[in-house]
Amino acid sequence: EVQLVESGGGLVQPGGSLRLSCAASGFIFNDYAMYWVRQAPGKGLEFVSAINYNGANTYYANSVKGRFTISRDSSKNTLYLQMGSLRAEDMAVYYCARVLGSSWYVDVWGPGITVTVSS
Amino acid sequence: QSVLTQPPSVSAAPGQKVTISCSGSSSNIGDNYVSWYQHLPGTAPKLLIYDNDGRPSGIPDRFSGSKSGSSATLGITGLQTGDEADYYCGTWDRSLSGYVFGTGTKVTVL
Repeated sequence: EVQLVESGGGLVQPGGSLRLSCAASGFIFNDYAMYWVRQAPGKGLEFVSAINYNGANTYYANSVKGRFTISRDSSKNTLYLQMGSLRAEDMAVYYCARVLGSSWYVDVWGPGITVTVSS
Repeated sequence: QSVLTQPPSVSAAPGQKVTISCSGSSSNIGDNYVSWYQHLPGTAPKLLIYDNDGRPSGIPDRFSGSKSGSSATLGITGLQTGDEADYYCGTWDRSLSGYVFGTGTKVTVL
């Protein structure tokens, strides 16, 4: 069964850092690009970051550029999101997502993990 | 602020049809395929439509997608109470070098 499971969320103070992980199973992790997508309370879905299948290319939303870093470890079948200089507006449920096709749509989503930014 | 615009809400009675529009530009919808996602609160989003009009395995043919120029449309026929959810369009944006989601549409079954 194809599965994505996020971990590493929690409460962090403004200006702090947090690293999210996403454990992938049931498919060949190295064959797929991956996204992080978030949903802030009362808001819609927002693309955060993308990484291609081998980690050579990364992409970021303007709102997180320079503060967040996406990476992947093929030996652990794990996707990461290193988040720094966190702001109140970064508070959200963060989803790990598998990307498919030449149009890079999401075909599998993780259940999501909550990040709370508050003092 | 999303670059893809959707109506905030649509509604219809059970068994009826609704359509949800998604308006973009030449750098996103006009340049790439569109996907649609269903999102129920507290759950992971679900892929409904990919590449404008493709349906993943397990998605009923009550759900359909189309694209024309820089706009796309999701149609839901035979509306059911279980269809009450938020729906998002999505595509890659060439100018932003990132994936973009629509503003989201809440479907209500009256």
